[in-house]
Formats: sequence, C-alpha cells, structure tokens
Amino acid sequence: GDSVTQMEGPVTLSEEAFLTINCTYTATGYPSLFWYVQYPGEGLQLLLKATKADDKGSNKGFEATYRKETTSFHLEKGSVQVSDSAVYFCALSSSGGYQKVTFGTGTKLQVIP
Amino acid sequence: GAVVSQHPSRVICKSGTSVKIECRSLDFQATTMFWYRQFPKQSLMLMATSNEGSKATYEQGVEKDKFLINHASLTLSTLTVTSAHPEDSSFYICSAGAGRGEQYFGPGTRLTVT
Repeated sequence: GDSVTQMEGPVTLSEEAFLTINCTYTATGYPSLFWYVQYPGEGLQLLLKATKADDKGSNKGFEATYRKETTSFHLEKGSVQVSDSAVYFCALSSSGGYQKVTFGTGTKLQVIP
Repeated sequence: GAVVSQHPSRVICKSGTSVKIECRSLDFQATTMFWYRQFPKQSLMLMATSNEGSKATYEQGVEKDKFLINHASLTLSTLTVTSAHPEDSSFYICSAGAGRGEQYFGPGTRLTVT
C-alpha cells in the first residue's frame, strides 16, 4: 500500500538557517505529493503541492521537487523565521481520482531567535 | 483557499455521554469529506470518508457504531462520538475534498472526556 516516510523531529534551527525536511514515498502509479503545515493549536494548511514528476511546488519561500527516480519530495527553505515553527506533514494521494490522502508522521520544526 | 469550519473547537463531556462535531465547507460544495483523529505528537489517522447522501466508509479498526458520521448536505458533515470514554479524548479534524488529492482542513476539535 501507499506510505510516506519523513525524517523524525524535532528539528531545531536558528533563525535564517537553511531547512531541509526529508520525505520519501511508496505508491503505485503517479501520485500527487503535498506538504501540509500545522501551526500550534490549529488544523492543517496546504503549504505546497506537485502533481507530476519534476514539478516544483513552492510557497512562502518553501520549495519541494517531485523526484520520481528517488521517490522523494524533500522540503527546503533557504532562511527560516521564528514564525515557521510548526509541524510539517508530507503526504500523497494516489492517482486514479480517489481523494484519499496518506500522511507521514510529521516533523516538528522549532526556530529559535 | 477554501474555508472549512468546525464546531465546537473544544468540548469537555462526561463519560457515557455523546458529542456531536460539525464540519462545514463555507464557500464551496464538498461531495467528499474526511474525518481524522490526531493523537499527541502523531500524524493524522483517517477514520472515515464521508460522501454526501450515502453511508460513510470507515477505515479498518474504526467502530462505525461508536463514531457516527452523517453527510446530509454538500456543505455539512457531522461526527457523533457515542457513549464517549476517556480513551476517546483526542483532536478530531475534518477536511473537505477539493479534487486530485488536495484537501481543505478544518481547525480541529479538541475533545476531552472526563
């Protein structure tokens, strides 16, 4: 079945540091890939997405590239801010039109001033 | 993006009582809504998929008689936790399907059963 593996957290970085959160997946066909973010006490928000191989999703300075050859969708940001502190979830939705989404376990990011 | 609301945001109930949580899509019609449960420091566990006008599809291990789901309209789905017990205390999140796997999430409901 489908699965998503994320690096374990928590990740603690100083402000303006470079961020990478690794994500790899297993799926049949050609899934769509997502990064969702959950701020403390809130629900999830879509951060970015990519729907086919080599696509790059980007939003708010975050980027992730759909790499089919390595089945990866690593999240990166060049300079993190304190306001980026949150839990980040990598997720996929298998092709075929069904909307079920499989989530990774989440990676907590803490950015310190 | 689209807005999904949940009500209530927090609820405390006594063991043995039932609690209803509402999930509304405010600015679009959602034929499919999802209910998740999130344990502390863990990912989201899909409980069920709710399709408007039909019975919900429950994930393996989720008791359909305990977690009643109703999706009576294109903008409203409800989750009722029946005969709640302390182990049902959790963060419940709904989402509305927006096609191609993208979902819009509600802010979540914190349920505490005493």
